[in-house]
Amino acid sequence: KQEVTQIPAALSVPEGENLVLNCSFTDSAIYNLQWFRQDPGKGLTSLLLIQSSQREQTSGRLNASLDKSSGRSTLYIAASQPGDSATYLCAVRRGDRGSTLGRLYFGRGTQLTVWP
Amino acid sequence: KAGVTQTPRYLIKTRGQQVTLSCSPISGHRSVSWYQQTPGQGLQFLFEYFSETQRNKGNFPGRFSGRQFSNSRSEMNVSTLELGDSALYLCASSLAGTSGSEQYFGPGTRLTVT
Repeated sequence: KQEVTQIPAALSVPEGENLVLNCSFTDSAIYNLQWFRQDPGKGLTSLLLIQSSQREQTSGRLNASLDKSSGRSTLYIAASQPGDSATYLCAVRRGDRGSTLGRLYFGRGTQLTVWP
Repeated sequence: KAGVTQTPRYLIKTRGQQVTLSCSPISGHRSVSWYQQTPGQGLQFLFEYFSETQRNKGNFPGRFSGRQFSNSRSEMNVSTLELGDSALYLCASSLAGTSGSEQYFGPGTRLTVT
């Protein structure tokens, strides 16, 4: 069974800091890995998708890396802002009981607070 | 382009009742997945539909069911509600329903069972 772990569970930093959020997964047979952001009481916003054959993806101030062999991904946030405050979720997609579509397995998230 | 929409946004039901939640995917998307989010269990996969067929199912009791229509809209139904069914129910759509597809989530339906 796929287990996804995110460290740290919570992070509080002043504005302007560069941040690293960590995600690890137990089974390297994944199709892809996706990072999401969730604001309180809201749905999930997709930030970055990394296919299993890729090593990293970048979008603006965000950069995500994937090391499938070691079962790790990191999300790097440059020059953090108060508007970045949210819960960041990591999810891996892998095959499941013969299904070629698979499903997303989620970590519990990192709750980020960026204060002015 | 409109995102994934879910209705209703909030629901309060009593134990033993049943409930139906609706999800409209992004235009052109043919795959719809459902997830349950609770503080205790986090996000858990319920089921996935593609072209009106259930392609994958999570470890939930038979009280949880779903379907997809020819226009790709999906509904999920929970019968004989229990207090533990209180959760945020999230729907996600993807373009082709392939293993590499990016998932886009809706705002969710907050279900409270009293």
